[in-house]
Amino acid sequence: AQSVAQPEDQVNVAEGNPLTVKCTYSVSGNPYLFWYVQYPNRGLQFLLKYITGDNLVKGSYGFEAEFNKSQTSFHLKKPSALVSDSALYFCAVRPDRGSTLGRLYFGRGTQLTVWP
Amino acid sequence: DTGVSQNPRHKITKRGQNVTFRCDPISEHNRLYWYRQTLGQGPEFLTYFQNEAQLEKSRLLSDRFSAERPKGSFSTLEIQRTEQGDSAMYLCASSLGRSGTPSYSNQPQHFGDGTRLSIL
Repeated sequence: AQSVAQPEDQVNVAEGNPLTVKCTYSVSGNPYLFWYVQYPNRGLQFLLKYITGDNLVKGSYGFEAEFNKSQTSFHLKKPSALVSDSALYFCAVRPDRGSTLGRLYFGRGTQLTVWP
Repeated sequence: DTGVSQNPRHKITKRGQNVTFRCDPISEHNRLYWYRQTLGQGPEFLTYFQNEAQLEKSRLLSDRFSAERPKGSFSTLEIQRTEQGDSAMYLCASSLGRSGTPSYSNQPQHFGDGTRLSIL
């Protein structure tokens, strides 16, 4: 079965400090991994993806994520947090094989709060 | 920027009524998805279309739910005889995939702002 875990419901960080939002996954075969951000009463905005290749992927708004196959993790990072980064962040996975062609499997989300 | 458009943004209805939501995907995207999101949870997959063909349905999609994408462009999601438990945000997403035989796609899904359904 495919699943995503985001072990922290909330992450709080001071502006200017580095941030990390954690994600681990379980999937059949190789994973396609994604991070999305959601602001209140809005849909999800795509931040970045890992398909293959370099384990460190860079995305929108200065975010990056590191894929670690042995730990089945895909943690989201940013070197210097901004107050405007405060939002709900979702990790998602899609397997590269199996019977489910289209669906993404999402974690429960992590609320990031960056205080001034 | 023409993104995924969903209408209405909010729907309030009484239990037992039927509701229909519309999704207009990004124009060149041939794949369209519906998800449901409840408070404190991530989106849960409902169904997926490639062009006009509905290729995958979740067990969450009971017989009261039906989705269509008649011309491979916009899609509608209808819920019949609504129940309290149907209250949620309904999200539509679209992506670009290879045409022809359905296949795995590594393209990101782009989401609309959703329709929030409240059942009184």
